[in-house]
Amino acid sequence: QVQLVQSGSEVKKPGASVKISCKTSGYSFTFYALNWVRQAPGQGLEWMGWINTNTGTPTYAQGFTGRFVFSLDTSVSTAYLQISSLETEDSAIYYCVRDISWRLDPWGQGTLVTVSS
Amino acid sequence: QSALTQPRSVSGSPGQSVTISCTGTSSDVGASNYVSWHQQHPGKAPKLILYDVSQRPSGVTDRFSGSKSGNTASLTISGLRAEDEADYYCCSYERSYTFLFGSGTKVTVL
Repeated sequence: QVQLVQSGSEVKKPGASVKISCKTSGYSFTFYALNWVRQAPGQGLEWMGWINTNTGTPTYAQGFTGRFVFSLDTSVSTAYLQISSLETEDSAIYYCVRDISWRLDPWGQGTLVTVSS
Repeated sequence: QSALTQPRSVSGSPGQSVTISCTGTSSDVGASNYVSWHQQHPGKAPKLILYDVSQRPSGVTDRFSGSKSGNTASLTISGLRAEDEADYYCCSYERSYTFLFGSGTKVTVL
């Protein structure tokens, strides 16, 4: 079955960087775009953007430009989210989710990133 | 972009029906047939329960139904059960490949 499995929780200091992975299985990786969604503690879902898994071209939503980078390794069917110059406000759960004909499904299990000095 | 507007919370007794609204604008919900709903239990990842306004993925109970009128989409949960207690988010696909989520609604089963 289709699965998106994300890397484990991370604890980082302000100013550091983090790279989260999203390993997919059960379908052809390059057929469907992958999206990233952020959920701050106790808050709602916020769409961060997407990456074209065929071309590797990323698109970032407003508020997620500059410090956020989406990338791929198609050889292992994996997408990555890297966040640099971490701020305490970046503490959140980050989800990857596949886009299949403009519906987001399935979701990865989420990766908790905690930024604290 | 502001989040789509949802009621903060709704509640109902077991067996009752509840409806959650999701209000946007003529640029998002009003212009899109690609409105979806996602259920999130505490500490869990979201799960798709409706797509294309009213379509249910395989395996999702038919107690969930969806509709849209103008700039407002709605999710109705019929025959409310304890397991329906969760947060629910609407999501609209906009032109130029953009997704916009709703603010989220907490459903409480009394």
